[in-house]
Formats: sequence, structure tokens, C-alpha cells
Amino acid sequence: GAGVSQSPSNKVTEKGKDVELRCDPISGHTALYWYRQSLGQGLEFLIYFQGNSAPDKSGLPSDRFSAERTGGSVSTLTIQRTQQEDSAVYLCASSLGGTRGTWGGYEQYFGPGTRLTVT
Amino acid sequence: AQTVTQSQPEMSVQEAETVTLSCTYDTSESDYYLFWYKQPPSRQMILVIRQEAYKQQNATENRFSVNFQKAAKSFSLKISDSQLGDAAMYFCAYRRGSGGGADGLTFGKGTHLIIQP
Repeated sequence: GAGVSQSPSNKVTEKGKDVELRCDPISGHTALYWYRQSLGQGLEFLIYFQGNSAPDKSGLPSDRFSAERTGGSVSTLTIQRTQQEDSAVYLCASSLGGTRGTWGGYEQYFGPGTRLTVT
Repeated sequence: AQTVTQSQPEMSVQEAETVTLSCTYDTSESDYYLFWYKQPPSRQMILVIRQEAYKQQNATENRFSVNFQKAAKSFSLKISDSQLGDAAMYFCAYRRGSGGGADGLTFGKGTHLIIQP
């Protein structure tokens, strides 16, 4: 079956513009994650969705970042008024859900990422 | 907060030889999972191996095995019979087991593995 897909693969934008990154998880995966990978900060966890809800948004770097998930499937990560420090690879992952205590071991399947460059 | 440390930014090994990548972590949790992920130049993160903290037996997947020392909070990855296709960035990652799914993975900074033909 198809893996996690992300679009666009690469995005170059001017400082101050808004961008929208899309993630299509594996069918049937109820959990969805966004990560950011940058040279300075390494891999950072941003936000997690169970179904359409995100219980904790504290990992988002600033209030310019928002994320939503609709229909328990596709998710979008939106960055408003982009800054040069937002330049990074944004990775999405999905996994099966489960009962508390078993979540941690479920494999997260990653997409190929979106490379965002803010000029 | 938990942290994951990979002290080797880069490692090089001859093809067919064995190499060990180091990882240490810090946590106050007793229930957690540890992972090694591989990231080739294509950027796609691929799970290599997983270890449950409650299991004493070290995980093994074909040529990949781990040395899990819970008391020392150490989780090294051994790659036997290294192949050219093993060249990639390797990330050690941690996730607590009791988070109910709300926790993402905490990653180390990565080790760049070079395979010399």
C-alpha cells in the first residue's frame, strides 16, 4: 500500500509570506505527527493528532504555526508570515492508535518531508 | 524532560566490517521505548530496530542488533557485515510508554555513517 506522502517536496518562499504544507497519512492510521528537522536544532517534535484533535500544541515553535487535520486523514501545517529561521525540512509521520500503554511502541512511518526555504 | 545524546557525529567503516553507534539517554520514566532510525539522502526516515524498556533481551533484526543497558541508560546499535546501502544518517530516538500517544519521538543529533568500499 501507499506510504505517507507529503507535498510539496520543496518550497521556496519569500520572507513574510504564508505557506501550507500537506501530509497524507497511511490509510487507517489514526495518529499523525509533525516534526521539523533543521541544522541548528536537529529533529524536533511539533504536534500530534489523534483523529482530528491535537491535545497539545505547545510544541509548535510560535503562534505563526498552526496545524489541522480533517476527516481523520489529511493534515496541513500552516506557517504564517514566514521567517528565515523557519527554513527546515518538515516531516510528517503516521502510526496506528491504541490503548494507553501501547502507544509508545507503535512504529511511526515517515513521509519524505517538505524542504522549506525562506529567502 | 528526556534527552538523547549521540556523541559520534560521524563514523566510518569498511564494507563487510562491524560498526557500533553509541546512544545515551536521560529519563525519569520506567516505561519507555527506544528506536534507531536510518535516514538516507532521500530524507525518508526508516525504522531500523525497536527496544521496549521492560524487555531485558536485546532486540535483533538481521544484521542489526542493540546493546541495551537500562541502568546505564545506554542504547548502542551494532551493524554487522556493513553494506554500501547502510550509508546514511542514523538517529537514536526515545518515546515514553505512558504518554497515551501524545508524545512524539525525542531524537538525538544523529551519526553520519560512511561505508568505505
